[in-house]
Amino acid sequence: QSTLKESGPTLVKPTQTLTLTCTFSGFSLSTGGVSVGWIRQPPGKALEWLALIYWDDDKRYSPSLKSRLTITKDTSKDQVVLTMTNMDPVDTATYYCVRNWWQQLADYWGQGTLVTVSS
Amino acid sequence: DVVMTQSPLSLPVTLGQPASISCRSSQSLVYSDGDTYLNWFQQRPGQSPRRLIYKVSNRDSGVPDRFSGSGSGTDFTLTISRVEAEDVGVYYCMQGTHWPGTFGQGTKVELK
Repeated sequence: QSTLKESGPTLVKPTQTLTLTCTFSGFSLSTGGVSVGWIRQPPGKALEWLALIYWDDDKRYSPSLKSRLTITKDTSKDQVVLTMTNMDPVDTATYYCVRNWWQQLADYWGQGTLVTVSS
Repeated sequence: DVVMTQSPLSLPVTLGQPASISCRSSQSLVYSDGDTYLNWFQQRPGQSPRRLIYKVSNRDSGVPDRFSGSGSGTDFTLTISRVEAEDVGVYYCMQGTHWPGTFGQGTKVELK
């Protein structure tokens, strides 16, 4: 059984950098075909893909947010880290990490973490 | 980005009756390997989304067989054969063929 859990601050100020960690178990990010990604959901709104990192360290970013995002992995710790710079109140959302298998996306989800951007 | 358009956005349903949600993509979702990466997710109130259907019509493990997916190319449908109370929530289609993956706006299923 694969599980994922997000952690990070619940409140950040505008212009600050957000760092979120996804800690997972039940699978390895060293296994061919596996990737871990981040999806966010503003309150009451739809879902949006942010970034993806593959077992071979290839990375994908949402074109609209690419300049603000960095995704990295620590295979030894079974963790993936997402950083988002220059946070704005419109970035207030629940952030989810998900597991993917080749092109089959989001078969397992974390519980999500609500991040509020406010001064 | 590929635009995913769902209809209806609100779907009042009667217990035991069928229900269908439509999803249309702005371009073909056939991938270079010949598969079509169209998924359906259920999000119950206060919960994370859960994938129900992958590659158009394949049910994920543990998903009741009253849920089925169909379609091809740019037009897809999620059908619940007989709605149960636990099916209340928001349903999203999502394409994984083109990066970034994109979701529909969501269809809120509620009991009449």
